Amino acid sequence: DTVLTQSPGTLSLSPGERATLLCRASQSVSNNFVAWYQQKPGQAPSLLIYDASRRAAGIPNRFSASGSGTDFSLTISGLQPEDFAVYYCQQYGSSPYTFGQGTKVEIK
Amino acid sequence: EAQLVESGGALVQPGGSLRLSCAASGFTFTTSAMSWIRQAPGGALEWVSSLSGSGATVFYSDSVKGRFTISRDNSINTLFLQMESLRVEDTARYFCANSPSGHFDSSGYNYYFHYYMDVWGRGTTVTVS
Repeated sequence: DTVLTQSPGTLSLSPGERATLLCRASQSVSNNFVAWYQQKPGQAPSLLIYDASRRAAGIPNRFSASGSGTDFSLTISGLQPEDFAVYYCQQYGSSPYTFGQGTKVEIK
Repeated sequence: EAQLVESGGALVQPGGSLRLSCAASGFTFTTSAMSWIRQAPGGALEWVSSLSGSGATVFYSDSVKGRFTISRDNSINTLFLQMESLRVEDTARYFCANSPSGHFDSSGYNYYFHYYMDVWGRGTTVTVS
């Protein structure tokens, strides 16, 4: 099974700052099939990024992502108040389609 | 607008059974793979199971294999999760999600879904106690 390790566990930043979230896989992810999700308290997750770097429909361009093989990242350029949330990466290159443990982006 | 609505969550005793449903609307259900994902209280997301648009291909996590059965009825645009031999550790909010994308292989005959979760429902709560 592919284990995804996200770092850091918590990121404390101020609005307007840049956030960089990391996701490391225990083995190479087939076709770089990695997605990123945002989850706010009490809500279902929502898709941000798929295929490692493609923004989902309606996602602002301050969200960008990159990576290949085992190392992937999500960058939020200029944090907005609504961006403070928990972010998860997921690999769908091979079953089981595992999630990382999440990174919480909190207001400093 | 694509929408998913889960139902069927309840309080159940260890060893009991439960059937979750997920009603889909606003997208072409038959050409979307579907998945169940769960989240224990205060915990991370955990992928549970997925199946292809036709239902012919299914995948399970090791933690539920042999106890849970995913299925779909494309005539009523509904996804199901039959849960047997429930354990305390199955306590979670269960979300369904769709995966509408995929690709054909080099032969052009075999279609492979991309099991990322595009649209999510709000979830239904299962408590095993």
